[in-house]
Amino acid sequence: QVKLLQSGAALVKPGASVKMSCKASGYTFTDYWVSWVKQSHGKSLEWIGEIYPNSGATNFNEKFKGKATLTVDKSTSTAYMELSRLTSEDSAIYYCTRVAAIFLDYWGQGVMVTVSS
Amino acid sequence: DIQMTQSPASLSASLGETVTIQCQASEDIYSGLAWYQQKPGKSPQLLIYGASSLQDGVPSRFSGSGSGTQYSLKISSMQTEDEGVYFCQQGLKYPPTFGSGTKLEIK
Repeated sequence: QVKLLQSGAALVKPGASVKMSCKASGYTFTDYWVSWVKQSHGKSLEWIGEIYPNSGATNFNEKFKGKATLTVDKSTSTAYMELSRLTSEDSAIYYCTRVAAIFLDYWGQGVMVTVSS
Repeated sequence: DIQMTQSPASLSASLGETVTIQCQASEDIYSGLAWYQQKPGKSPQLLIYGASSLQDGVPSRFSGSGSGTQYSLKISSMQTEDEGVYFCQQGLKYPPTFGSGTKLEIK
């Protein structure tokens, strides 16, 4: 069965960076795009960007360009997202998802990032 | 970006009741719409894609319809396990955008 296992919660200081992981299993990792989604304060969802593991091609929401960096390690079927220059506005839960056509058919369990001094 | 407007923001329904949630896009999205359910403390789960196709494993009491800019999600007989927040999402144009969510509770 398809699973996306994300890394644990992170507490980081303002101005720092955080890198989170998303390990895929149960399907061919290189066949599907992986998207990342932000959920702030239990509210709605924002699409951050996506990466195609086979080629490393990426697409980003303009709002998150310069904030998020997406990478993959094909050898371990793991996708990564690094968020830089963190502020309190970046405190949120971040999900990785598998993309089927244009929809998000499997989601990781989420990573809670708290930015606080 | 395409704006997705969901209504209502919240509603409560009795067991067995039919529930309908609406989603309006700011432009024609040609059925490029999905619905997700999020239970408390859990990740969202895909229910409906392509406006009306049921994701594998989703109970048949869920259905989606609509076209153009207007879409709806119907739960034909409300069950306890259907409590949660429901989001619509357009996938026609980048960036994919989501509605603000509808919180569904048991009355």
